Amino acid sequence: NAGVTQTPKFHILKIGQSMTLQCTQDMNHNYMYWYRQDPGMGLKLIYYSVGAGITDKGEVPNGYNVSRSTTEDFPLRLELAAPSQTSVYFCASSYWGGAYGYTFGSGTRLTVV
Amino acid sequence: KQEVTQIPAALSVPEGENLVLNCSFTDSAIYNLQWFRQDPGKGLTSLLLIQSSQREQTSGRLNASLDKSSGRSTLYIAASQPGDSATYLCAVKAAGNKLTFGGGTRVLVKP
Repeated sequence: NAGVTQTPKFHILKIGQSMTLQCTQDMNHNYMYWYRQDPGMGLKLIYYSVGAGITDKGEVPNGYNVSRSTTEDFPLRLELAAPSQTSVYFCASSYWGGAYGYTFGSGTRLTVV
Repeated sequence: KQEVTQIPAALSVPEGENLVLNCSFTDSAIYNLQWFRQDPGKGLTSLLLIQSSQREQTSGRLNASLDKSSGRSTLYIAASQPGDSATYLCAVKAAGNKLTFGGGTRVLVKP
């Protein structure tokens, strides 16, 4: 089982550029999430989705956008990248809002210079 | 607002010693609590999930307890090994679509 797959694993982005972080899950989970992890800090929720076509903001959504056209895919788009978006990004998925736990991807380490 | 705290932030023990990792949360109205392991530069690996109606969960050398009324969970790792060196995170699932993480405990098991 692949679980939750994120690409790329590493990326360096210049200030003002845009990019999309990819996330795919093969467990038929209906909920998907994007978190960011900064050094010494806990994970913060950026956006989440409860099903295809439905997305909602988390704690720190500014500077990001998401879409959920299929159950499997939940890409995160960074528009006009800023140094404050340098972080490790994790995608996760779950059944029914985490009642049975969460599965995380291996992360994307993004540096904005 | 739910707050999750893990103390200590770092822990170093000799191989063979039992590990005790603490997690406390401020709002006892939780659905479940999950313990994760994170290796440097890697993702989160789920270790144990405890539902709010449960008192403990066990998997191999790992045992996690939950005391919802006092807002505490403890992860015990028996007979620690150097391969147990990692950061351990606890996360609390409450109402709504929010999982609140603690800051983690970085563990080093010395051979």
